[in-house]
Amino acid sequence: GESVGLHLPTLSVQEGDNSIINCAYSNSASDYFIWYKQESGKGPQFIIDIRSNMDKRQGQRVTVLLNKTVKHLSLQIAATQPGDSAVYFCAENNGGSNYKLTFGKGTLLTVNP
Amino acid sequence: DTAVSQTPKYLVTQMGNDKSIKCEQNLGHDTMYWYKQDSKKFLKIMFSYNNKELIINETVPNRFSPKSPDKAHLNLHINSLELGDSAVYFCASSPGQGANIQYFGAGTRLSVL
Repeated sequence: GESVGLHLPTLSVQEGDNSIINCAYSNSASDYFIWYKQESGKGPQFIIDIRSNMDKRQGQRVTVLLNKTVKHLSLQIAATQPGDSAVYFCAENNGGSNYKLTFGKGTLLTVNP
Repeated sequence: DTAVSQTPKYLVTQMGNDKSIKCEQNLGHDTMYWYKQDSKKFLKIMFSYNNKELIINETVPNRFSPKSPDKAHLNLHINSLELGDSAVYFCASSPGQGANIQYFGAGTRLSVL
């Protein structure tokens, strides 16, 4: 969700557990959503995307859920691994223009071995 | 083999100087972007070019001037650098109009002293 103050929302999980990262988006006109993973010192890396005509999409070990009624997006990571430790961003396309992505503030996921 | 490459990776300079960051993509994409990521990890679009034409300019100070000599390159020139320009700058590209995934470079960490 949205960060408060100066700190990123954080999620700490044990290796092997499932992780759920949440995101509240702002624009009800958005019809395309995307999740990125950013490891320390690297650029954002695509994980999974979903269009607004779907409410669920699955990838390898990841699932994205979309609830348009409450403008909520979540990323589920199954069997979380230490390599999943990163900052996760959701992004929305604001409807009309598919060029412009508006990013959320990010969630720091820490996986404990 | 790097899909989106930026140079330099690190840039340390004095206030008032002029500097450039270069970006190249070998994905054959039509659209390229510049993002700024601040110390709180907030990622915000600055500019976007589609086939060498400016399509997004997000109220960035005119000290920042993007230039796209061809659709595989998008450079960012910054005049009269200020302390507040210190950030990580990311270049990205996408195939073009539509709900397309944006692919990011590794970033350029700019430090203005």
